Amino acid sequence: QQQVKQSPQSLIVQKGGISIINCAYENTAFDYFPWYQQFPGKGPALLIAIRPDVSEKKEGRFTISFNKSAKQFSLHIMDSQPGDSATYFCAASRGLTGGGNKLTFGTGTQLKVEL
Amino acid sequence: GAVVSQHPSWVICKSGTSVKIECRSLDFQATTMFWYRQFPKQSLMLMATSNEGSKATYEQGVEKDKFLINHASLTLSTLTVTSAHPEDSSFYICSAPPPGTVGGDTQYFGPGTRLTVL
Repeated sequence: QQQVKQSPQSLIVQKGGISIINCAYENTAFDYFPWYQQFPGKGPALLIAIRPDVSEKKEGRFTISFNKSAKQFSLHIMDSQPGDSATYFCAASRGLTGGGNKLTFGTGTQLKVEL
Repeated sequence: GAVVSQHPSWVICKSGTSVKIECRSLDFQATTMFWYRQFPKQSLMLMATSNEGSKATYEQGVEKDKFLINHASLTLSTLTVTSAHPEDSSFYICSAPPPGTVGGDTQYFGPGTRLTVL
């Protein structure tokens, strides 16, 4: 599997602040970039996703920024809340080019939002 | 939204025994399901792709004789960990893309199964 590198490994943010998580990929054939949120003992849940034809996508407090030339994408969580405390995974797949929906996950970021 | 369930949610077994984990798509048919393994504080690693009516496709390094996958119907895939050992203790998660999914769009994940081998 092609790698997806994610940073930071852990992140502490004050309530109301902005959480930023970054990912970088190698395989230029990737064409779908989702972010997942996972709480302890639970399966991942899709937060937001983007395709390479747009540079930014916003859904509520969550925004993905995508830089195709740099092969990087990031998740911004605005007005971070304690309930956002979870592990976040970026992922990538090349479904449109025959990848068959197989997701390659980043290493994960443990986010803690403090009061 | 579409729901994927797993059973059991947790299981404890003795070393050498076999354990079967079920993954069901509750309100859609899934010709393909994926099985992942996740060790504590680590990422999800794809183990295999389960295809309804045909053999599963295993990722490099995953022992197909140890992790038996059967996708007998459009709503059920099973993962059997044969002759389990303590190093197989992990969180096993399945996922399924709903029908009509193109280009890696929305994949629904199950809640996971915690396997502990004593």
